[in-house]
Parts: sequence; structure tokens; C-alpha cells
Amino acid sequence: NAGVTQTPKFQVLKTGQSMTLQCAQDMNHNSMYWYRQDPGMGLRLIYYSASEGTTDKGEVPNGYNVSRLNKREFSLRLESAAPSQTSVYFCASSGASGGAETQYFGPGTRLLVL
Amino acid sequence: GESVGLHLPTLSVQEGDNSIINCAYSNSASDYFIWYKQESGKGPQFIIDIRSNMDKRQGQRVTVLLNKTVKHLSLQIAATQPGDSAVYFCAEDQMTTDSWGKLQFGAGTQVVVTP
Repeated sequence: NAGVTQTPKFQVLKTGQSMTLQCAQDMNHNSMYWYRQDPGMGLRLIYYSASEGTTDKGEVPNGYNVSRLNKREFSLRLESAAPSQTSVYFCASSGASGGAETQYFGPGTRLLVL
Repeated sequence: GESVGLHLPTLSVQEGDNSIINCAYSNSASDYFIWYKQESGKGPQFIIDIRSNMDKRQGQRVTVLLNKTVKHLSLQIAATQPGDSAVYFCAEDQMTTDSWGKLQFGAGTQVVVTP
């Protein structure tokens, strides 16, 4: 049982390049989330998916798109990367599909945009 | 907007002592609170949670206290060990339709355990 996995672990992009961050969970959770974490700050929600087939914006969605590919996988896409998107990105999942539930996090993807 | 914050950014604790990490929240509508531990280079790891209908919950070496009157949350770690060195985050969930699944995180407290 791997929990939440993320790929890649590290990535360097040039301004304007695009990339997709992958996330998968094997806990049969309904809900999945993408967060970003900047130095000295807590996590901020980018997008979430309450259940397969649904996605919604979080606190900081601008510059990102998401796809809930199936129940296991939730990807985050940067269409045109900007230096302000340099951050550590975490994917999380929880069992709830409409209510508070503990979220379990992946190991993160460290992104540097030059 | 409403936010979750921490009183102390860094806490230095001697090995074997008890640690207390504090968290203030401003939204009285919050119903669910979680403490996470984040070690360097890793994702946040669930420690313990508490719902607003409780004022205390205990786990293995950890206790979370909730004081709804003053909107304060604390995490107590008993007999702190070197492996407890990490950043600790509190998070709240307002459990409303508009805020569903949107945990609000504090900035974190760095706990440093000294020998």
C-alpha cells in the first residue's frame, strides 16, 4: 500500500514551458487535492476533486488546470509556467465525498521555474 | 478572511521534556481540526484530529486540546524525542458547503529537539 504517490519529484522549467504533475492514490479515496507550499508558509489549496468526474477551484487556482482521470489519479497542469509558480506541490486524498475527513499527503514535487 | 495562525514560529525543546505547540483560529464556525507533522523534504503526515464537540483527544504520546471559548488549539507531545523535530501545522475545516474539503493551514511551528 503506497498511499499517495507523486511524479516527478523534482522539475526545472523555463518560463512559458508546460508540464503535468501526476498524482495517484491506492486507498480507494473519493476526494483528491492539489496544494502548493511556499517557504515559511502553510499549504494553499489549488484545486480539489470531491469525487471522480468533478473538480473545483481552491484558494489559488490561477495558472493551473486539473484532470481527475479516474478514481485513483488526479493531475495538475501548468500550461505556461511562470517564476511565481516555483513552489513545492503536494497532492492529498481523503475518503470523504462531502464532509471533513483526514487528508493524506504525497511526498511532493519540487518545481523551479526559471 | 478567516485564518489559522500559530503563536510561536520556532520551539526549542530538550529531549525528554514535553512540548506544547499552540494554534489560534479565528473562525468560530470551524468544526474539525487536524495536526500535521512535516519533516524536511517530506509531505505532511497526519498526527491527530479533533472535532468541535470534543475538548481533548489523546493519541500515542500526543494530546490535542481544543478551547472553543478562546478559539485556541494546542498539541502536546510527551517525552519529546529527536525524531519529533519537524514543522507542525494545525489545519481547520469549516465543514460548510462552500468550504467543503478546504482545509485552512497555519504557517507552521518549527520544533527543534536538543540533546
